[in-house]
Amino acid sequence: NAGVTQTPKFRVLKTGQSMTLLCAQDMNHEYMYWYRQDPGMGLRLIHYSVGEGTTAKGEVPDGYNVSRLKKQNFLLGLESAAPSQTSVYFCASSYSKSNDYYEQYFGPGTRLTVT
Amino acid sequence: AQSVTQLGSHVSVSEGALVLLRCNYSSSVPPYLFWYVQYPNQGLQLLLKYTSAATLVKGINGFEAEFKKSETSFHLTKPSAHMSDAAEYFCAVSRVRGSTLGRLYFGRGTQLTVWP
Repeated sequence: NAGVTQTPKFRVLKTGQSMTLLCAQDMNHEYMYWYRQDPGMGLRLIHYSVGEGTTAKGEVPDGYNVSRLKKQNFLLGLESAAPSQTSVYFCASSYSKSNDYYEQYFGPGTRLTVT
Repeated sequence: AQSVTQLGSHVSVSEGALVLLRCNYSSSVPPYLFWYVQYPNQGLQLLLKYTSAATLVKGINGFEAEFKKSETSFHLTKPSAHMSDAAEYFCAVSRVRGSTLGRLYFGRGTQLTVWP
């Protein structure tokens, strides 16, 4: 199993450009999450999904949109990138019906710089 | 609301010394508790978890943590530090029921440095 994969690993954007980050998991997990990690701030939840076709806002959703059209994929979009969105983005997944402890499995991260 | 406090953003120990990373949580109901480790330029990896079974939980790489309800703590320990333990460690909590089931609430992390 590949676990959780993220594409791309690195990206540099100019202010105002748009992009989509892709997260894929092969563990048949129901829940998926997008976090951002900034120095001294820990991980902050952007958006999450508890199933195909459903999404919900986390702590810091402004400036981001998400979609979960397929159970195994969770997309994070930036419509108009801003320098404040320079960060490392992590995707995670959790919960299968055989394990109700909700431990999350993380991808390797995407390092995004907005200039 | 859930909250997690990790005391000490940086901890330094000598190789072979005891590692103690502190985590306190606030919750009216004992939650599920997790410790994750993040090595440089990598994602987070689960070290161990507490899910209301044994209060002393053993994890990977010789780490363990003890759930103490009376102190609302879940401190992470390792008897003898190794150079390879140098990383950032995150404590996280999850509710056991309710509308935010499945969400993890993370502490701000503790950077562990191990000196030779």
